[in-house]
Amino acid sequence: EVQLVQSGAEVKKPGESLKISCEGSGYSFTSNYIGWVRQMPGKGLEWMGIIYPGDSDTRYSPSFQGQVTISADKSISTAYLQWSSLKASDTAMYYCTRGYSYFDYWGQGTLVTVSS
Amino acid sequence: QSALTQPASVSGSPGQSITISCTGTSSDVGGYKYVSWYQHHPGKAPKLMIYDVTSRPSGVSNRFSGSKSGNTASLTISGLQAEDEADYYCSSYTSSSTRVFGTGTKVTVL
Repeated sequence: EVQLVQSGAEVKKPGESLKISCEGSGYSFTSNYIGWVRQMPGKGLEWMGIIYPGDSDTRYSPSFQGQVTISADKSISTAYLQWSSLKASDTAMYYCTRGYSYFDYWGQGTLVTVSS
Repeated sequence: QSALTQPASVSGSPGQSITISCTGTSSDVGGYKYVSWYQHHPGKAPKLMIYDVTSRPSGVSNRFSGSKSGNTASLTISGLQAEDEADYYCSSYTSSSTRVFGTGTKVTVL
C-alpha cells in the first residue's frame, strides 16, 4: 500500500527555522517525484515545488523560490521542506504528494503555526 | 505565475449535473494534456479525481468526467450526491516545468 506519512504539527516563533518531513512507503521512492503543496487558512491549494529523489533534481514555483528548501534522503525514503527563518505568513497546512504531472497519493498534512 | 481561474462556487440539487471550469493560458492548460482535478474535504487530504484531462483513477466514480477545449478545462459531476459536496481544484503542468493549481470551487449540494 502506498503511503506518505508526514511529521506532526509544529508551533514556532517568527525567525525560527523548521524542517518538516514526508516518508514514503509501499512504492519505489527514488523513481517517483514528490511535491509540496501549501494551504493557508481559508485559502486554496498552492503548488510550492517538486523533487525527484533519485537525483535530487528540484523545481520551485516562482512564488516559493528562495523562501523554502526542498530536499530528500533516498536512504530513508523521506522528503523534506525547510525554512531558515519563519514568518507569521508561513502559517498553513503543508501537504506532500507523489507525482509529476498529477498527484495520486497525498500525505495527511502538517500544520505549521508561526506566532510570537 | 497566476493561479488558474475557477468559479468560486457551483451548486446543484441531488441527481443533477454540474460543470466546473478551469481557465488558464496556452502556457499551461492549453499547451499540455496534463490537467488534473482534486476533491478536497476540509480536514482531509486532497483526492485525485481526474488526470491527463480525461482519465479517471481506479476507484473514482464514473460520475466524474473531464474535458478540455483550448485554454479551458472542465470537470463534470453527473448524478450529484451529497457526498460530492467539497472543494474542487484543477491543476496543470506549465511551460516553466512547474505546476499550478486553480483558485478552487466550492460545490454545494442543495
